[in-house]
Amino acid sequence: ETGVTQTPRHLVMGMTNKKSLKCEQHLGHNAMYWYKQSAKKPLELMFVYNFKEQTENNSVPSRFSPECPNSSHLFLHLHTLQPEDSALYLCASSQEGSSGAGELFFGEGSRLTVL
Amino acid sequence: GEDVEQSLFLSVREGDSSVINCTYTDSSSTYLYWYKQEPGAGLQLLTYIFSNMDMKQDQRLTVLLNKKDKHLSLRIADTQTGDSAIYFCAEIGNQGGKLIFGQGTELSVKP
Repeated sequence: ETGVTQTPRHLVMGMTNKKSLKCEQHLGHNAMYWYKQSAKKPLELMFVYNFKEQTENNSVPSRFSPECPNSSHLFLHLHTLQPEDSALYLCASSQEGSSGAGELFFGEGSRLTVL
Repeated sequence: GEDVEQSLFLSVREGDSSVINCTYTDSSSTYLYWYKQEPGAGLQLLTYIFSNMDMKQDQRLTVLLNKKDKHLSLRIADTQTGDSAIYFCAEIGNQGGKLIFGQGTELSVKP
């Protein structure tokens, strides 16, 4: 138990569906992240939020839409995805300003399959 | 841009030492990290080293940093089957920017 919870753990959707991934952290952190993990490729940073404000959008297609209503919750809204978007989507949180700036706490991921 | 490279696979026998290697390009890296991902789980921080250190030891784990060659390694002594996982190297630069991950090395430990 890392203190970061992601739901759903598995999601299968068609290219015309709209779905959302949810992440919740119970660690009191002020930064939250979405990463995409594809097999044999480096983790790709998608979005970063600090104190609910988006501070990084790593050239992510608009079919991925993040939402951060407060420092504990992060969503990733999915719309008209492509099969190549199938991957493991990882949420993470951290405490910005702490000595270990790269110490991220990850959730277990949401495995997305786009048909 | 910044890049972190790792070999994709490593297979060892139980009880042997494992050495996982990583190279990076960002000469301004301040911290370098090793994360572990067990099957079906997210990444978990194993250890990290500050860039002004050459070595850090933590029980069975030894991290070696060669800053001149931009080479980082993780040695696991007396490797156990429970060490089977994907190990990610990551670095962060002095701009306080984002964490850059490698592709991950899948460690397989044979009994």
